[in-house]
Amino acid sequence: GAGVSQTPSNKVTEKGKYVELRCDPISGHTALYWYRQSLGQGPEFLIYFQGTGAADDSGLPNDRFFAVRPEGSVSTLKIQRTERGDSAVYLCASSLGLLGTEAFFGQGTRLTVV
Amino acid sequence: GQNIDQPTEMTATEGAIVQINCTYQTSGFNGLFWYQQHAGEAPTFLSYNVLDGLEEKGRFSSFLSRSKGYSYLLLKELQMKDSASYLCAVRPRGGSQGNLIFGKGTKLSVKP
Repeated sequence: GAGVSQTPSNKVTEKGKYVELRCDPISGHTALYWYRQSLGQGPEFLIYFQGTGAADDSGLPNDRFFAVRPEGSVSTLKIQRTERGDSAVYLCASSLGLLGTEAFFGQGTRLTVV
Repeated sequence: GQNIDQPTEMTATEGAIVQINCTYQTSGFNGLFWYQQHAGEAPTFLSYNVLDGLEEKGRFSSFLSRSKGYSYLLLKELQMKDSASYLCAVRPRGGSQGNLIFGKGTKLSVKP
């Protein structure tokens, strides 16, 4: 596609439920990143994929968060037993995978846990 | 610890020049990025500095001093559409390519 696509754009879920957030990167981009952004804050790094493998998952806050990228393209961020503190905008970005090249961000998924 | 500091808000006049400063304290340094983010939208890339000096790109320039842990973004000939948040982000040494530490952003308001 023309840009990074994230679905859904908005998700409201009840506390304790499981959610999946999807990211479709720009075709040909080998690097994919997940961030989350709370109101008034900058994006916070969660995980980085190079191809199919998670090259760095040091930003995942706890074991309720998990992400996959089985074919090196689409990625899914999975959150189990959601908590109200998980409410944020989850941003996905992709790049060509070279240091210094710009990352293109998707519009994000706004997750609200009630 | 890792820390990125930027002013919270700035106001400037259409047609003027504005400089947005960013200071950082990170575990080493491996590149600094500036992003623009309009309200409710995704961040968009503006610039990347890894060596000291000024990088110019049209109306936008970014400066880096690694010894001082300091960068600034310079916006010239301000337009109303430049009203947005400007995010400074640093990649620490040893951090993976995607592991950027973002500041909280500077909300710039351009007035007529």
